[in-house]
Amino acid sequence: EVQLAESGGGLVQPGGSLRLSCAASGFTFSSHWMHWVRQAPGKGLVWVSRINSAGSTTSYADSVKGRFTISRDNAKDTLYLQMNSLRAEDTAVYYCARRVAVAGNWFDPWGQGTLVTVSS
Amino acid sequence: DIQMTQSPSSVSASVGDRVTITCRASQSISSWLAWYQQKPGKAPKLLIYAASTLQSGVPSRFSGSGSGTDFTLTISSLQPEDFATYYCQQANSFPYTFGQGTKLEIK
Repeated sequence: EVQLAESGGGLVQPGGSLRLSCAASGFTFSSHWMHWVRQAPGKGLVWVSRINSAGSTTSYADSVKGRFTISRDNAKDTLYLQMNSLRAEDTAVYYCARRVAVAGNWFDPWGQGTLVTVSS
Repeated sequence: DIQMTQSPSSVSASVGDRVTITCRASQSISSWLAWYQQKPGKAPKLLIYAASTLQSGVPSRFSGSGSGTDFTLTISSLQPEDFATYYCQQANSFPYTFGQGTKLEIK
């Protein structure tokens, strides 16, 4: 079964850092682009970042550019999101998602999400 | 960025009803559109991609149509498990953007 499992969320003070992980299983992780999408409490979905299968190409939403870094370890089947200089508006559930293996940038499956709360 | 606008924001319906949700893009996105279903406290689930292609395992009562700027998601006969929030997402250009969601509630 294809599965993604995030971890690493928690409470952090403004200006602090956190690293999220996403463990993949049930598929060839190294063959897929991966994404992070977040959802603030009671709000909609917002795309955050993506990384290609080799880990050599990354992209970010303007709201996190320069503060967040996406990376992956294909030997460990794990995706990461390093979040620095966190702000209150970064508070959200963070989901990792796999790009579907057909033409287009569709996301399936998604992990269960990990909650990041930025507050003093 | 391409703006995605869904309507209605919420809809009440009964089991067995036919429901249609619309999604409008601020510029043409060809058929680069997906629909997701999200239940409370759960991750989104891909239902339809490329505007009208049903994802494997998704019931055939779900269907999608449209191209360019206007798209629809139709549920032909609502089942109890379909009450959820639905999001559209464009994949035509970067950054990928989602609609604000449509909450489907039980009447």
